[in-house]
Amino acid sequence: LAKTTQPISMDSYEGQEVNITCSHNNIATNDYITWYQQFPSQGPRFIIQGYKTKVTNEVASLFIPADRKSSTLSLPRVSLSDTAVYYCLVGDANYGGATNKLIFGTGTLLAVQP
Amino acid sequence: DTAVSQTPKYLVTQMGNDKSIKCEQNLGHDTMYWYKQDSKKFLKIMFSYNNKELIINETVPNRFSPKSPDKAHLNLHINSLELGDSAVYFCASSPPEGRQETQYFGPGTRLLVL
Repeated sequence: LAKTTQPISMDSYEGQEVNITCSHNNIATNDYITWYQQFPSQGPRFIIQGYKTKVTNEVASLFIPADRKSSTLSLPRVSLSDTAVYYCLVGDANYGGATNKLIFGTGTLLAVQP
Repeated sequence: DTAVSQTPKYLVTQMGNDKSIKCEQNLGHDTMYWYKQDSKKFLKIMFSYNNKELIINETVPNRFSPKSPDKAHLNLHINSLELGDSAVYFCASSPPEGRQETQYFGPGTRLLVL
């Protein structure tokens, strides 16, 4: 199972771009990379998912190098409301009864200051 | 119009009691999950069901018994509650057409065992 490593915490200021990197050296060929955001007292919320290169949506961008051993979540112009824990998740979806263990890492606590 | 709902939101009980947590999703998803988030914020999967069939059963004490009466509901019954069961329990669901990692989480049930 691919294991992920992220910084425990990061600090930023409003309006800055924030990049959170996740290492997943043992990522498998079928694995996708997914990022979730969790606010205090709430459940995690899906942000973005990708397999390789770059993925962008209205919330963030995800950069994945060719070797896929790491990925970087980029949050443009953060605000105070972006203060949350960000989880990097690597896993394979395999339906049909196969056992698929989805593992959340320790996450990165992003603190955005005014 | 909550997508994934859980009841109750808070649950305080004595050791040895039996309690249930209910989860319902109105997203039409086939797969549902239960996660446990402990005081250190580690989020671990406990169970997953796909169309009422048990898919994942992690190393969870058999005091925990999930029940899926239909694919929109996944309830969690806990017998003989222990102090270590105190945690936040999250229900989640995922769509059949997407990656299984794209999960939608409920607001959580905060269980405190005294």
